[in-house]
Amino acid sequence: GESVGLHLPTLSVQEGDNSIINCAYSNSASDYFIWYKQESGKGPQFIIDIRSNMDKRQGQRVTVLLNKTVKHLSLQIAATQPGDSAVYFCAEAPWGNNRLAFGKGNQVVVIP
Amino acid sequence: DTAVSQTPKYLVTQMGNDKSIKCEQNLGHDTMYWYKQDSKKFLKIMFSYNNKELIINETVPNRFSPKSPDKAHLNLHINSLELGDSAVYFCASSPLPGTGRNGELFFGEGSRLTVL
Repeated sequence: GESVGLHLPTLSVQEGDNSIINCAYSNSASDYFIWYKQESGKGPQFIIDIRSNMDKRQGQRVTVLLNKTVKHLSLQIAATQPGDSAVYFCAEAPWGNNRLAFGKGNQVVVIP
Repeated sequence: DTAVSQTPKYLVTQMGNDKSIKCEQNLGHDTMYWYKQDSKKFLKIMFSYNNKELIINETVPNRFSPKSPDKAHLNLHINSLELGDSAVYFCASSPLPGTGRNGELFFGEGSRLTVL
């Protein structure tokens, strides 16, 4: 179970609403970014990725936005569902480098 | 037909003991990893092997020793366990970076280690 005093940034969202999760990165050399989703008791799973030659990429119900000027990444989830409740991580690396650096997780809690 | 499987899922042990966690992947990937996730959910890479060769070795106490008998297996042995070693340890594998999703990580379910 969770540790007492766990202080993850938490986003509570009503089912059906859109969610936006933000991430700041620090490595200017990073040109590849991934969002991962981690459900309780499981390992992180790939959601969507983006390379630095793009500023937006869309998947199924998810959109990733990249602002290289301010080193900011966001994940938008459309029509949030209970199954979207999880911890979300952004990760970065230079292309061709397998040393992915993970950001702090963001907890999303979907209220039915 | 689990892609990345690690055992045990839970491990409770006393300080000072030695323990191992095993990992196997059936994805045909060349690269495998160990990550540590602390109580704040922060994920940090510990080791990476490419085709049985160590390629990433972060600042990890030398009580931690990875072993890769073949490219489908990467085990983690921990000597003289300390309270601070309590965490969830994730094994992962990936195809070569610089291709496709730049070596997308496929994670196992994690092994929760509790040191008393």
